[in-house]
Amino acid sequence: LAKTTQPISMDSYEGQEVNITCSHNNIATNDYITWYQQFPSQGPRFIIQGYKTKVTNEVASLFIPADRKSSTLSLPRVSLSDTAVYYCLVGDIMGNNDMRFGAGTRLTVKP
Amino acid sequence: NAGVTQTPKFQVLKTGQSMTLQCAQDMNHNSMYWYRQDPGMGLRLIYYSASEGTTDKGEVPNGYNVSRLNKREFSLRLESAAPSQTSVYFCASSVLAHEQFFGPGTRLTVL
Repeated sequence: LAKTTQPISMDSYEGQEVNITCSHNNIATNDYITWYQQFPSQGPRFIIQGYKTKVTNEVASLFIPADRKSSTLSLPRVSLSDTAVYYCLVGDIMGNNDMRFGAGTRLTVKP
Repeated sequence: NAGVTQTPKFQVLKTGQSMTLQCAQDMNHNSMYWYRQDPGMGLRLIYYSASEGTTDKGEVPNGYNVSRLNKREFSLRLESAAPSQTSVYFCASSVLAHEQFFGPGTRLTVL
């Protein structure tokens, strides 16, 4: 099971781009990288998932270098409502027992 | 669609009491999961069910039992509650393991 390492917390200001990096040095060939967002008193919400290079959706972009030992979640022009905990997960998407959330990164967006 | 629903939202138990947490999903997902989240920490997988009729242990199964009643419903039972089981419990469902949809959670306090 690939272990992930993320910063414990980050601060940003409204309108800035935020990049949260996750390290996963022992990622396996079949592993995907998935990011979730969790607001206080709510369950996590799937944001984005990728295997290599770059993935973009309406919420975020995910950058994965060729060696796949790290990944970066990019949130464009954050607002106060993006204040949340962000979790990086790595594992085989067909493996139901692979969900290890870790402590996540607590992002605080300031006005 | 209601998505994933959980009952109750809040519960207070005394040590040694038993209770069942209910979870239902209306997305026709095969897989369902139970997690617990302690204050300031990430989620930990208790049990999961890859399909109707199957259940498997996750990271922290001790003190819990589960039942996959049908494709829609997955319940979590505490036979003899302990203060260490005070936590927020989340149920989730998915088609693919890493794109899970979470319920609103049950906040359980064991005195």
